[in-house]
Amino acid sequence: QTVVTQEPSFSVSPGGTVTLTCGLRSGSVSPNYYPSWYQQTPGQAPRTLIYSTNIRSSGVPDRFSGSIVGNKAALSITGAQADDESDYYCVLFMGGGSWVFGGGTKLTVL
Amino acid sequence: EVQLVESGGGLVKPGGSLRLSCAASGFSFSYYNMNWVRQAPGKGLEWVSSISSSGSYIYYADSVKGRLTISRDNAKKSLYLQMNSLRAEDTAVYYCARGDSGDYQWGQGTLVTVSS
Repeated sequence: QTVVTQEPSFSVSPGGTVTLTCGLRSGSVSPNYYPSWYQQTPGQAPRTLIYSTNIRSSGVPDRFSGSIVGNKAALSITGAQADDESDYYCVLFMGGGSWVFGGGTKLTVL
Repeated sequence: EVQLVESGGGLVKPGGSLRLSCAASGFSFSYYNMNWVRQAPGKGLEWVSSISSSGSYIYYADSVKGRLTISRDNAKKSLYLQMNSLRAEDTAVYYCARGDSGDYQWGQGTLVTVSS
């Protein structure tokens, strides 16, 4: 069973920069996995931030960026704002039409 | 404006069935792959199933294979999820999502509760 790993929680100061990661318990993440990132606040539907490693979805500010860092996918947020406080999920394409989400990272801005 | 509106959720007993619908508007539905993603209460997101724009290609998570069936009606601009042999662990908000390569547009979700 494929396990996609994310930090359970992270904190960042207002105006600061944070990088969240998305890895595989076994193996390295590459662009071939089309890593994508979603933001979700309690009670709301997810919002797509980044897809295919580093493409920002429509309307997403350029404070959000995606990349591969080492053997993981990464989501960087620069100039963190109070309303960036959310849960962030990554997903990886596993081939054969299937996708696997990570467990999510709860980001606190304080 | 892209709109995806899910319906059909509710309370069902273990072993029961339910059919979810997702009504699409604001875009050319027949051009897009569609997906179902669910989220159990207090838990993370889980990909459930995908269907290609024509309906020719269908994929399922192992956890639902053989029990849940995705389908679509392009003339009605609608996506469906037939849910049979439901289990307590299927309790979740079910989201309809447009797109592929991870670039999803999301509906607001419909809650399915499986309990006796």
